[in-house]
Amino acid sequence: QKEVEQNSGPLSVPEGAIASLNCTYSDRGSQSFFWYRQYSGKSPELIMFIYSNGDKEDGRFTAQLNKASQYVSLLIRDSQPSDSATYLCAVKDSNYQLIWGAGTKLIIKP
Amino acid sequence: DGGITQSPKYLFRKEGQNVTLSCEQNLNHDAMYWYRQDPGQGLRLIYYSQIVNDFQKGDIAEGYSVSREKKESFPLTVTSAQKNPTAFYLCASVADRTGNEQFFGPGTRLTVL
Repeated sequence: QKEVEQNSGPLSVPEGAIASLNCTYSDRGSQSFFWYRQYSGKSPELIMFIYSNGDKEDGRFTAQLNKASQYVSLLIRDSQPSDSATYLCAVKDSNYQLIWGAGTKLIIKP
Repeated sequence: DGGITQSPKYLFRKEGQNVTLSCEQNLNHDAMYWYRQDPGQGLRLIYYSQIVNDFQKGDIAEGYSVSREKKESFPLTVTSAQKNPTAFYLCASVADRTGNEQFFGPGTRLTVL
């Protein structure tokens, strides 16, 4: 059974601080890794994807991938109240299907 | 504007009824997906289709059926055989199965009365 694990939270972070979200996966054959943001009652929207070991930066967001340790993380710098949402980690397996984590609820405190 | 539409936004079903959820996309995407999301859980794959007139079961297909007669449309029927259908249903599409971004519709919230 392929699994993607996330801490459900909630993770509470002060405004302006760095939020760090983590995700581990079980399938070593996984090639692509995705972070989606989902506001309450809404559909997920893609923030970033990464497929090479190391860091990938896009504005205030940085995705980090370590295939040897089978984890992927998302850093949000200068956290804003609008970043409060559930963050879903998804991993594309060798059959091109996305395996989803249950999500981490992030709360940014003003 | 290109995108994915789902209807209705809210749907109430009596026990024993079949209901059909609509999903339409004008992105010219080949692949389409149906997911179910329960509170506090991730997305679980119900069915997916990579090409017209072909579809595959996902992890939780029992009690559901789909069709893919047109590239733009991928309706989902929740049958009376689905014992616990109350959930948030999400339709998604991607350019092809190797594509990186799944685009999601706004979702349909189904409640069984």
